[in-house]
Amino acid sequence: GGIITQTPKFLIGQEGQKLTLKCQQNFNHDTMYWYRQDSGKGLRLIYYSITENDLQKGDLSEGYDASREKKSSFSLTVTSAQKNEMAVFLCASSFRQSSYEQYFGPGTRLTVL
Amino acid sequence: SQWGEENLQALSIQEGEDVTMNCSYKTYTTVVQWYRQKSGKGPAQLILIRSNEREKRSGRLRATLDTSSQSSSLSITGTLATDTAVYFCAPDTNAYKVIFGKGTHLHVLP
Repeated sequence: GGIITQTPKFLIGQEGQKLTLKCQQNFNHDTMYWYRQDSGKGLRLIYYSITENDLQKGDLSEGYDASREKKSSFSLTVTSAQKNEMAVFLCASSFRQSSYEQYFGPGTRLTVL
Repeated sequence: SQWGEENLQALSIQEGEDVTMNCSYKTYTTVVQWYRQKSGKGPAQLILIRSNEREKRSGRLRATLDTSSQSSSLSITGTLATDTAVYFCAPDTNAYKVIFGKGTHLHVLP
């Protein structure tokens, strides 16, 4: 079995700050995803990557950058943290170029002061 | 836009009861996944049903898919307190991504 690790588990930043969230997977999956989950809402796709060095925008990409440095890692940067961005950020991966069965990490909870 | 929308947002039942959660979606899809998210964890896939299956079972779970009405359901028989979670349906968009609905919050009372 594999695992997805997200760091940090909790991230506290100041409004306007640039913040980076990291995700590692050892499934050897091709596709990786970043989602944002606000309280009481579903998951909204920010960015995804179907292979190393590929980046695709999701529905919520404005205000974020992403980087797929290698197959096993996918980073998300909040370019300028805003108070209304307090949410949980979830990383996921799936096998090959398919959205079927995504495996999720435990999430990073972002708080902006 | 949300392609997958669970029809009931919150549900509280007694342990041992059966429950069915419904989902309708706005566009044609051939695959629907159901995920469960427990408190403090990421979602985990429970079951995947394809358009040629109509019904699929896995242990106490039963999923259905009706492409004509663009709807899917997930039933759990003999619920346990450990089934307490948020349940998401996720229709596949055939574009490397799925769309998650808001989820149904299921609370099973022991």
